[in-house]
Amino acid sequence: DAGVIQSPRHEVTEMGQEVTLRCKPISGHDYLFWYRQTMMRGLELLIYFNNNVPIDDSGMPEDRFSAKMPNASFSTLKIQPSEPRDSAVYFCASRAPSGPQGGEQFFGPGTRLTVL
Amino acid sequence: EDKVVQSPLSLVVHEGDTVTLNCSYEVTNFRSLLWYKQEKKAPTFLFMLTSSGIEKKSGRLSSILDKKELFSILNITATQTGDSAVYLCAFHTGNQFYFGTGTSLTVIP
Repeated sequence: DAGVIQSPRHEVTEMGQEVTLRCKPISGHDYLFWYRQTMMRGLELLIYFNNNVPIDDSGMPEDRFSAKMPNASFSTLKIQPSEPRDSAVYFCASRAPSGPQGGEQFFGPGTRLTVL
Repeated sequence: EDKVVQSPLSLVVHEGDTVTLNCSYEVTNFRSLLWYKQEKKAPTFLFMLTSSGIEKKSGRLSSILDKKELFSILNITATQTGDSAVYLCAFHTGNQFYFGTGTSLTVIP
């Protein structure tokens, strides 16, 4: 298996532009997570899906952020309009079906976003 | 408010030393605690702990959870330069995963 796939790996854009980050989870995994990591705030969970349905989006910073999962093999995180403070590394992770005590998450390589 | 605190924030040791990294948490619906290692890329999974007092081991790394005192430790014995990384602790509640800010470990030859 190729693991979790994210694209692009690097994105540089100007303030006000729309940014779309993409993620392909590991086949068979039914949970998908979007994280943001910065030096100041560490790793923060933005939103996660179970069986393509958003379960908890309380970490999404504001209305400029939106995430979708149209099918089991694809998810997007969109920022519109982007701002310099959105600059961070955005990770996608997926997790296999497991019992109520949770399970290991497999992280993608991340997208390093720079908003000028 | 659920939170997780890691200490120390950073640590510099010499090869061969033993280190202990700490993770304390306050949660309302604990399900599991996870340790990850992050080098210059994505975090990679080390351990998942759900029960108190049971040590998990993998080579030179080991971890244990104390659910009564609400903390976990990660031990690394005979450290090597390849152990240099940020070590992240996270816990899983009913609906959320919370990560600590990590401990940055540097092992010098």
